[in-house]
Amino acid sequence: DIQMTQSPSSLSASVGDRVTITCQASQDISNSLNWYQQKPGKAPKLLIYDASNLETGVPSRFSGSGSGTYFTFTISGLQSEDIATYYCQQCDDLPFTFGQGTKLEIK
Amino acid sequence: EVHLVQSGAEVKKPGESLKISCKGSGYNFVDYWIGWVRQMPGKGLEWMGIMYPADSDIRYSPSFQGQVTMSADKSNNTAYLQWGSLKASDTAIYYCARRFLGGVGTDVFDIWGQGTLVTVSS
Repeated sequence: DIQMTQSPSSLSASVGDRVTITCQASQDISNSLNWYQQKPGKAPKLLIYDASNLETGVPSRFSGSGSGTYFTFTISGLQSEDIATYYCQQCDDLPFTFGQGTKLEIK
Repeated sequence: EVHLVQSGAEVKKPGESLKISCKGSGYNFVDYWIGWVRQMPGKGLEWMGIMYPADSDIRYSPSFQGQVTMSADKSNNTAYLQWGSLKASDTAIYYCARRFLGGVGTDVFDIWGQGTLVTVSS
């Protein structure tokens, strides 16, 4: 299985901050990388697909970049409603493994 | 509008069997793979496997192969996840999700069910 390693596992930031999460794959996955947001008590929601494409309806403060084995997810201008856990997921090779998640809290 | 609606919470004893469901609406159910994702208490997401309702093609994660069975009823637009003999370690929320395949390699879970909490306790 391809291992996905997210960093950090948790972080605390202030409203308006720029927040960055990284995701590293154990092998080259090209741009086959998705990002999901999971708010407490809710199902996950797709935010970014193919490493950098914003899902329809997702605010433009969310963005993604990277290819190969290293990827980043950024929130430019953190809002209070962004409190959630964020997961990367590779879709290059079955099983489509998730990272361990990054829990984002507001300071 | 596209929806996946899952069956309600279950409380079972170790050794019992269980089948939970995921009903699709608002789209052609047989044309999209359905995936299952486990979330153990306080933990992250685990990809369990996917099933194509049109021909019952199934791809299990090695971690879940032999532990669960995926199936579907095309006539009722419903996917199922079942256990033959539950263990306490099966306690988790189980999500179903629709797999969307885009034109240039896009492969995502774009629609999710609300989750089914399964509690296994003696």
